[in-house]
Amino acid sequence: EAEVAQSPRYKITEKSQAVAFWCDPISGHATLYWYRQILGQGPELLVQFQDESVVDDSQLPKDRFSAERLKGVDSTLKIQPAELGDSAMYLCASSFGESAYEQYFGPGTRLTVT
Amino acid sequence: GNSVTQMEGPVTLSEEAFLTINCTYTATGYPSLFWYVQYPGEGLQLLLKATKADDKGSNKGFEATYRKETTSFHLEKGSVQVSDSAVYFCALSDQTGNQFYFGTGTSLTVIP
Repeated sequence: EAEVAQSPRYKITEKSQAVAFWCDPISGHATLYWYRQILGQGPELLVQFQDESVVDDSQLPKDRFSAERLKGVDSTLKIQPAELGDSAMYLCASSFGESAYEQYFGPGTRLTVT
Repeated sequence: GNSVTQMEGPVTLSEEAFLTINCTYTATGYPSLFWYVQYPGEGLQLLLKATKADDKGSNKGFEATYRKETTSFHLEKGSVQVSDSAVYFCALSDQTGNQFYFGTGTSLTVIP
């Protein structure tokens, strides 16, 4: 069964350092989402791509976060510099079309900033 | 704006007990409603969905009915198992299908 792949699964970094997460969506899925999930809360959308274009990044802290999906397939989310408050689970999801229906989630990257 | 409110957990039940996790929503227009489940160390999995009023979503013994009059989508299961222990998220997709809103999640632990 096709799955969304994410790496690394766990990342510990010191504040002010740069960190990057990678996501490979299910083959053929045009829409890719990055979410942040703070412990005890639901996922919060950071950025949504349709192919290689950003559809929604209104909740992305653009002073320190960036995301790209250059060829419309896999994607990278970067934080520079990391802050203590960035400690969270970062989830990637993909879906076949533009609709948010049937989102398939990866296992997530657990980030701890010390 | 759009939002989802779930009952707070954690919820602890004995095996074979009846489960209800309450979910209410606020939305304009005609949203679609979802329940996702997150097992320890894993990502979210779609459990069930309903796309219009009075629809009933069901999967793996879980059910939820889209009630527009009470703006609710409560999750139910008649007899829970230890393997159902997980965090359950209620979510809605707005009318365009382009915005997703999650509740804060309800942790369920089922004891033998």
